[in-house]
Amino acid sequence: GQQVMQIPQYQHVQEGEDFTTYCNSSTTLSNIQWYKQRPGGHPVFLIQLVKSGEVKKQKRLTFQFGEAKKNSSLHITATQTTDVGTYFCAGPLAYQLIWGAGTKLIIKP
Amino acid sequence: ETGVTQTPRHLVMGMTNKKSLKCEQHLGHNAMYWYKQSAKKPLELMFVYNFKEQTENNSVPSRFSPECPNSSHLFLHLHTLQPEDSALYLCASSQDEGNDEKLFFGSGTQLSVL
Repeated sequence: GQQVMQIPQYQHVQEGEDFTTYCNSSTTLSNIQWYKQRPGGHPVFLIQLVKSGEVKKQKRLTFQFGEAKKNSSLHITATQTTDVGTYFCAGPLAYQLIWGAGTKLIIKP
Repeated sequence: ETGVTQTPRHLVMGMTNKKSLKCEQHLGHNAMYWYKQSAKKPLELMFVYNFKEQTENNSVPSRFSPECPNSSHLFLHLHTLQPEDSALYLCASSQDEGNDEKLFFGSGTQLSVL
């Protein structure tokens, strides 16, 4: 069936290192959304990408939407402890929002 | 505070109990959703309501029964649940129903079925 695959499942980084999560769809998406869920919290909307090849930045976060509108990435530069959480992508497929399984960002002590 | 309030935050119930989850949104949105979040699985859409009419039932077992008396309130009635139903149940709302709509989530109800 139609899916949104997200990798990796976990990423352990030292504070100050970069972090990237990737999202791939089996079909072309009209848009893609990204959410962040802090430990013990609920998903919070970060951004929506609509255009082919679109790149948007929010401070240390860079979001990209692929040219074919089938993949997307979120890159965090110089991670901080406040970045800890699980990052989800979600794309509309068959009139529903289909979610990736999330990438958990863990900062090594 | 997201403008979407869920109660209770935690719920433990036996398989023969009946309980209800409540969600209220103060954002003036027209669409409301129930999602199930289990460990290591993607969020699963359960139900969608638009202007208090159910528009989506994602093959959810009948032991989950939603109710939407108005655009601001959403309930999930639970009865004879199974241990595999233990999960975080999230309510969300959006301005309108649509795949490009931004979702606002409540804090969720962590449900444990014994």
